Order: sequence, then structure tokens, then C-alpha cells
Amino acid sequence: AQSVTQLDSQVPVFEEAPVELRCNYSSSVSVYLFWYVQYPNQGLQLLLKYLSGSTLVKGINGFEAEFNKSQTSFHLRKPSVHISDTAEYFCAVINPLIQGAQKLVFGQGTRLTINP
Amino acid sequence: DTGVSQNPRHKITKRGQNVTFRCDPISEHNRLYWYRQTLGQGPEFLTYFQNEAQLEKSRLLSDRFSAERPKGSFSTLEIQRTEQGDSAMYLCASSFKNIYGYTFGSGTRLTVV
Repeated sequence: AQSVTQLDSQVPVFEEAPVELRCNYSSSVSVYLFWYVQYPNQGLQLLLKYLSGSTLVKGINGFEAEFNKSQTSFHLRKPSVHISDTAEYFCAVINPLIQGAQKLVFGQGTRLTINP
Repeated sequence: DTGVSQNPRHKITKRGQNVTFRCDPISEHNRLYWYRQTLGQGPEFLTYFQNEAQLEKSRLLSDRFSAERPKGSFSTLEIQRTEQGDSAMYLCASSFKNIYGYTFGSGTRLTVV
């Protein structure tokens, strides 16, 4: 079964500093990868996704992620964070080759806290 | 496009009562998903529909849970004889078939007391 590991449960960062949120997935086959953000008491909003092509994916709000097949990783980065980036971030995977496997499998989340 | 709408936003119920949640997907989307998210965890898949057909159910979906999507439009998720362990955020999402990257609703937070 697919699994996703987010290596840090909490990441505190000062405003305007860079940040990296780490994500590793378990799969020996091609997968699609996603990052979602969840603000308090809200649903999930798609930040970016990797389906194929360039391994560097740019998303909304200045975030980007890099797909590394050899390391089975999909780390999320932002060069300069703002207070408004404080939220929970989820990495997720779909294996499109499994028939009927349309469900996203999520990691446990990383709570990003931006301090002034 | 008004997004995915979920009602109610919050529900407090006594243990043993039945509850029903509603999800209105984006109108053109033919796939609809239900997820459950407990505190401090990532969302877990419960079930999904393509049009009105329920195509997959998770083992998390015990026989107290039932979901429907009549006419392939809105969906309802019912929990019978609620237990304290059912307390969670229930998230609905929708998408086009084979278009990856769902649109999620704001969720229904269930508290069983």
C-alpha cells in the first residue's frame, strides 16, 4: 500500500526566512504527488501537483516543490515566508496505475508556524 | 463555480444518535470523495462516487456508515448510532474523472458527546 511520510510534525520559522517541508513516499512505480494547505477550521487547498515533466513544480503563494524519483521525495519550499503562511501542510500521493485507485493517500501533516 | 459546499459546518450530537451530512460538489464534477480527518492527522479516505455509483469503500467505513449520491449530484454521509470515536472533521471533495487534484469543501466537524 502507498504511504507518505512527512518527516517533521512541526516547523517553526521566522518571518522572511526560507522554509523546506519534507515529504517522502513509498512506491516502486510512478506516482502523482501533491501538496495541500489547511488553514484552521478550513478544508484543504491545493498548493501544487506533480504529474509528469519538469521535476521542479511551481505552485500558488510562492511555493515550489521538487520531485526526486531516486530519493522518493517531494519536498516543499518557499524562499521567504509570511505570517499568513502559518497553517498545516499535507503531502499526498496517488498511484494512477492501480485500477480504480483514485484516492489520495495523505501524510500526517506538518504544522508550519511563522514567528515575527 | 461556487466550490464544494458542505453542511452543516459543525454538528454536536449525543452518543447513539444518527447524523447526516450533505456535500454539494462543483456542478460539472462527476467524481465525489469523502474523507475523515481526526485531530493531528492527515485525511483518511472513506469512499468515492463516480456519478451515482459508489466505486470504492474503505475498511474504515463500518456498517454504521452509509453514503449516497442520488442522481450523481449532491451526496449524503450518514452515521448511525454515533460513537465518541466518530468525532472528526468529515471532508468532501470533487473532481473530474482522471483530473488529479481535488477541490475540497470546508468540512463538517462532528463532536459526539
